[in-house]
Amino acid sequence: AQKVTQAQTEISVVEKEDVTLDCVYETRDTTYYLFWYKQPPSGELVFLIRRNSFDEQNEISGRYSWNFQKSTSSFNFTITASQVVDSAVYFCALSEARETSGSRLTFGEGTQLTVNP
Amino acid sequence: KAGVTQTPRYLIKTRGQQVTLSCSPISGHRSVSWYQQTPGQGLQFLFEYFSETQRNKGNFPGRFSGRQFSNSRSEMNVSTLELGDSALYLCASSLGRVRRFYGETQYFGPGTRLLVL
Repeated sequence: AQKVTQAQTEISVVEKEDVTLDCVYETRDTTYYLFWYKQPPSGELVFLIRRNSFDEQNEISGRYSWNFQKSTSSFNFTITASQVVDSAVYFCALSEARETSGSRLTFGEGTQLTVNP
Repeated sequence: KAGVTQTPRYLIKTRGQQVTLSCSPISGHRSVSWYQQTPGQGLQFLFEYFSETQRNKGNFPGRFSGRQFSNSRSEMNVSTLELGDSALYLCASSLGRVRRFYGETQYFGPGTRLLVL
């Protein structure tokens, strides 16, 4: 069975600091998809990135970057020069490539990020 | 394009009652999934619907049910409410393909906060 672990329950930083959110996953499949979502206090999950298991290239989008390492089953997320608006709960999620799984997402526990001014 | 919409946004019920939540997916999306979010259990998958058929189901009791209409709108129903059903219920939509539909990006609505007294 698949599992996602986000060991950092809460992280608190000061604005402009860089911060990395860790995500470790478990799956028996060779083909799978990894996601990051952001959940602000309003509750809605905001999609950030989707990565398939065959694409290990790191990705950068503005202040956000993602480091995918199959060897360690990790998909870490870094925010550079954090801002107060980055304060939210961040979820890492896994979707297996099986007809029986559909688009079903298995989520980690989430990391509460607080950026202080 | 309008995002995923959910109604109502907030709901208070008493034990033993039943409740129906509604979700309208992004225009053109044919797959709808439901998730329950609680502080203790985190984000858990309830079920996924495509083309008016339940395609995938999570590990929830039969009191939780859903359906999808021909316009892809979906409803979920919880009968005989229990205190533990208090949660944020999130609906997500994805494009929905007939084949190889796994791993699609899901876009979430704002959720319905249900409080059971």
